[in-house]
Amino acid sequence: DIQMTQSPSSLSASVGDRVTITCRASQGISNYLAWFQQKPGKAPKSLIYATSRLQSGVPSKFSGSGSGTDFTLTISSLQPEDFATYYCQQYNSYPPTFGQGTKVEIK
Amino acid sequence: QVQLVESGGGLVKPGGSLGLSCAASGFTFSDYYMTWIRQAPGKGLEWVSQISSDGGAMSYADSVKGRFTISRDNAKNSLYLQMNSLRAEDTAVYYCARLGTLAAAGTYDYWGQGTLVTVSS
Repeated sequence: DIQMTQSPSSLSASVGDRVTITCRASQGISNYLAWFQQKPGKAPKSLIYATSRLQSGVPSKFSGSGSGTDFTLTISSLQPEDFATYYCQQYNSYPPTFGQGTKVEIK
Repeated sequence: QVQLVESGGGLVKPGGSLGLSCAASGFTFSDYYMTWIRQAPGKGLEWVSQISSDGGAMSYADSVKGRFTISRDNAKNSLYLQMNSLRAEDTAVYYCARLGTLAAAGTYDYWGQGTLVTVSS
């Protein structure tokens, strides 16, 4: 199975900060990488697929980049509603696997 | 709008069985692959099983293979997960999710709210 490793596991940031989360795959996954946002007690919400394509309705402050094994999710200006846990997921090969999550907390 | 509503969760003893359902609406259910994903309390996301749009192809995580069975009824717009020989480590919130298409095929564009399964004596 392909292992997905996110860093950091958690971070503290202020409203207005630019935040970057990294996801590394244990082997190359081309651009088959998605990002999800999950708030406490809620289902995950799809943000990005194919590394950099925003799901419909997702604001442009979210962006994704990378290829091969190294990927990033960037939030350009953190807002109160963005405090959540973020997960990456590879869908290059079965089984699909997720990173362990990055919790973004208020500083 | 797309809606996925899970039901059937609850408390079950180790070795017991439970069946989950997911009612879909707001899209042509028979056009989409569907999946079950679970999340143990305080933990991350784990893919469990997937079924093709016509129900002819299924796949499972090694952790549930031989114990869980995924199925669907396109006439009823419903997805199912039959869970047998349950173990404590199967305790989780179970989400049904829709697989995307084209460039998003293989990832999950809509999720249900989840149903909690607790395996405990």
